[in-house]
Amino acid sequence: GQQLNQSPQSMFIQEGEDVSMNCTSSSIFNTWLWYKQDPGEGPVLLIALYKAGELTSNGRLTAQFGITRKDSFLNISASIPSDVGIYFCAGQVGRAGSYQLTFGKGTKLSVIP
Amino acid sequence: DADVTQTPRNRITKTGKRIMLECSQTKGHDRMYWYRQDPGLGLRLIYYSFDVKDINKGEISDGYSVSRQAQAKFSLSLESAIPNQTALYFCATSERGTQYFGPGTRLTVL
Repeated sequence: GQQLNQSPQSMFIQEGEDVSMNCTSSSIFNTWLWYKQDPGEGPVLLIALYKAGELTSNGRLTAQFGITRKDSFLNISASIPSDVGIYFCAGQVGRAGSYQLTFGKGTKLSVIP
Repeated sequence: DADVTQTPRNRITKTGKRIMLECSQTKGHDRMYWYRQDPGLGLRLIYYSFDVKDINKGEISDGYSVSRQAQAKFSLSLESAIPNQTALYFCATSERGTQYFGPGTRLTVL
């Protein structure tokens, strides 16, 4: 089946710094999703990308759907302490609405005040 | 109010016990899912349902069963719990491929 390589696995950054993480795959995906998970909670959707090349922002977050459809990145600008958590990418094969989401293993973000 | 709710939030049980985890949603979505999350392994799909009469096995269905009692309710059962089923369990619903997760159930099997 499809596999997603998410990097880095963990990051320690100073408050105010920008953050970048990415996911790559050997397979083509039709949808890329980015989630954030806080300790003890379920993943919360941050950004959904549906078209190759699409660049979407949500506040200080920006994500892009790679042109090759095999990768995506998430940037966080001017990090703050509440950005701490685990960020997951997820890719979907097939038409929108099909069930199969493949998840990356997550990037654990720590922000040093 | 949360759109996707799960009960219980935490459960400790013993090997061999039958356990049911419940999920309810108010989003009106037809599609519902059960995942488990283990450290370092990410989220893995156990079962999914496209509607009340359509239930399908996911990547790791062995040892689990599900019931879709209504559009809004999807329950996961462990018929005879074993220690390696200790994990975080998440229910999700979806529309247009975007999945929305519940808060999770932390299950410990002793």
